[in-house]
Amino acid sequence: QVTLRESGPAVVKPTQTLTLTCTFSGFSLTTTGMCVNWIRQPPGKAPEWLARIDWDGDKYHKTSLRSRLTLSKDASKNEVILRMTNMDPVDAGMYFCARSYRNWNFDTWGPGALVTVSS
Amino acid sequence: QSVLTQPPSVSGAPGQRVTISCTGGSSNFGAGYDVHWYKQLPGSAPQLIIYDDNNRPSGVPDRFSGSKSGTSASLVITGLQSEDEADYYCQSYDDNLSEVFGTGTKVTVL
Repeated sequence: QVTLRESGPAVVKPTQTLTLTCTFSGFSLTTTGMCVNWIRQPPGKAPEWLARIDWDGDKYHKTSLRSRLTLSKDASKNEVILRMTNMDPVDAGMYFCARSYRNWNFDTWGPGALVTVSS
Repeated sequence: QSVLTQPPSVSGAPGQRVTISCTGGSSNFGAGYDVHWYKQLPGSAPQLIIYDDNNRPSGVPDRFSGSKSGTSASLVITGLQSEDEADYYCQSYDDNLSEVFGTGTKVTVL
């Protein structure tokens, strides 16, 4: 069974860096075609894709956020880590990690982590 | 602001058929990229219900169907049921913006 779960702080202060971890099971990020994505969703709004890391280590980021995003993976721990710098209240919302496999859709999602940005 | 536009809401009585449109452009659907559809219940993560324009993942009822033509796509729900009440999002790839989601449609079962 494929599962993903996000973990990280529920509250960060403005200008701080957000670090979120996606821990997954039921698949390996070393399998050709496997990818883990980060997607966020502000309250009451549509999801917004942020970034993706592929089985071969390639990384892709939303162009408008590229300077603020860092992705890393630890395949042995089945973890993908997202760092977003200079957090602002507009960055608040649910942050999801989701799997893609040989396709550009998101077939399995984690339950999400709610992030509030407040001083 | 999304490049994939959906109607904010659609509604129907139980048993009826509803259609959700997703309008794109030359840099996404018009460039040949597939459309995928997600269902999101309140407080839950989105769930993939249609992929590659018209395919259903295992476990998704055949009441859900999808299509795409030119720069537009549609999700059809036939035999509407109370458990279909949710938010629905289309998603594709855009040459200028990478992965993109639609604006979302709230389906209400009357």
